[in-house]
Amino acid sequence: QVQLVESGGGVVQPGRSLRLSCAASGLNFSDHGMHWVRQAPGKGLEWVAVIWHDGSDEDYVDSVRGRFTISRDNSKNTLFLQMNSLRVEDTAVYYCARGFTVTSVGGRYLDYWGQGTLVTVSS
Amino acid sequence: DIQMTQSPSSLSASVGDRVSITCRASQTISTYLNWYQHKPGKLPNLLIYAASSLQSGVPSRFSGSGSGTDFTLTISSLQPEDFATYYCQQTYNNLWTFGQGTTLEIK
Repeated sequence: QVQLVESGGGVVQPGRSLRLSCAASGLNFSDHGMHWVRQAPGKGLEWVAVIWHDGSDEDYVDSVRGRFTISRDNSKNTLFLQMNSLRVEDTAVYYCARGFTVTSVGGRYLDYWGQGTLVTVSS
Repeated sequence: DIQMTQSPSSLSASVGDRVSITCRASQTISTYLNWYQHKPGKLPNLLIYAASSLQSGVPSRFSGSGSGTDFTLTISSLQPEDFATYYCQQTYNNLWTFGQGTTLEIK
């Protein structure tokens, strides 16, 4: 059974940092790209970042590029999101999710999601 | 970045109705388009991937179509459990993006 469990959320002041973790089990963690997706209160889903299965590359939505860093430790089946210079608008539930590719139809999607961890940026 | 625009933003319908939600990409994305259902307090649930492929376990009343820039999610006969928010998502390049969501409400 696949499980993704996020941790590390909390209340933080603007300009401060926070590090989120996502512990994975029940899947071949090192075989898959992993993603962070967030949902601000009353808003829709926003894709945040991706890291390649082997950690060789990563990418970010423009609003967090240069402030957030996604990383992974495949030996510990764990995904991270280092969030620096936090802003009020970063307040959201942050989900980690597994990326999956179906090569036969050219499909790429998020199939397993964690329960999310709430980050509140407030003075 | 590729922008995804859904319409309508909200929709009222009755059980048994046939409803469609559209999603338009700001540039061509071939068929790299997914649809998710999201209910309050629950995790997003993948319904359709690659524009028209039904995810395993998803009822056949859900279907997807389109390619290039214009896509549609259709629910053939609404059931009570279908009232939720629906998101399209493009995965054409490395920077995946979601539409703003369509909230489907009971009339």
